[in-house]
Amino acid sequence: AQSVTQPDIHITVSEGASLELRCNYSYGATPYLFWYVQSPGQGLQLLLKYFSGDTLVQGIKGFEAEFKRSQSSFNLRKPSVHWSDAAEYFCAVGHGSSNTGKLIFGQGTTLQVKP
Amino acid sequence: DSGVTQTPKHLITATGQRVTLRCSPRSGDLSVYWYQQSLDQGLQFLIQYYNGEERAKGNILERFSAQQFPDLHSELNLSSLELGDSALYFCASSTPPYEQYFGPGTRLTVT
Repeated sequence: AQSVTQPDIHITVSEGASLELRCNYSYGATPYLFWYVQSPGQGLQLLLKYFSGDTLVQGIKGFEAEFKRSQSSFNLRKPSVHWSDAAEYFCAVGHGSSNTGKLIFGQGTTLQVKP
Repeated sequence: DSGVTQTPKHLITATGQRVTLRCSPRSGDLSVYWYQQSLDQGLQFLIQYYNGEERAKGNILERFSAQQFPDLHSELNLSSLELGDSALYFCASSTPPYEQYFGPGTRLTVT
């Protein structure tokens, strides 16, 4: 069965420090992979996506993620965290068939940023 | 702003009641997805409609139903509500198989 694991429930980093949020997936074929961010009381905003091609993908707000097929991972990174990055981050895997595309989400990682 | 709208933003109702949540997708998107977010279950896919037809079902209770209308807006109907149905309900839209854009959600509180 398809699944997504985000091993870290809660991460705290200092402002200006680098960030890496982990995501591992289980999927039978080449997955479509996504990272979303949710600020308190808000909906989910798409940060970046991987469909195919270059395994290092760039997203909005200075985020990037690297797809590693051998490790079934799609970790999210940012070189320097800002206080406004404090939020909950969700990794998701999607089925890439022509007319279905439900997303399976990880449990989320809450990011706290220390001043 | 994702372009996906949901109404109402908040809904408070009593057990046993029935409610309808509404979603308007982004212009041009043919698919609408419904998700439930709760503290214990996380984000769970409920159901997908594509151009008016049900396309995929997830962990949707029999008390819940949905439909997509000719103008592509969708409604999620929740009936015989229980306390455990209290959650955030999100709608997302896309033109599959591409990325989904989420609405702001409807927070349902069942008392």
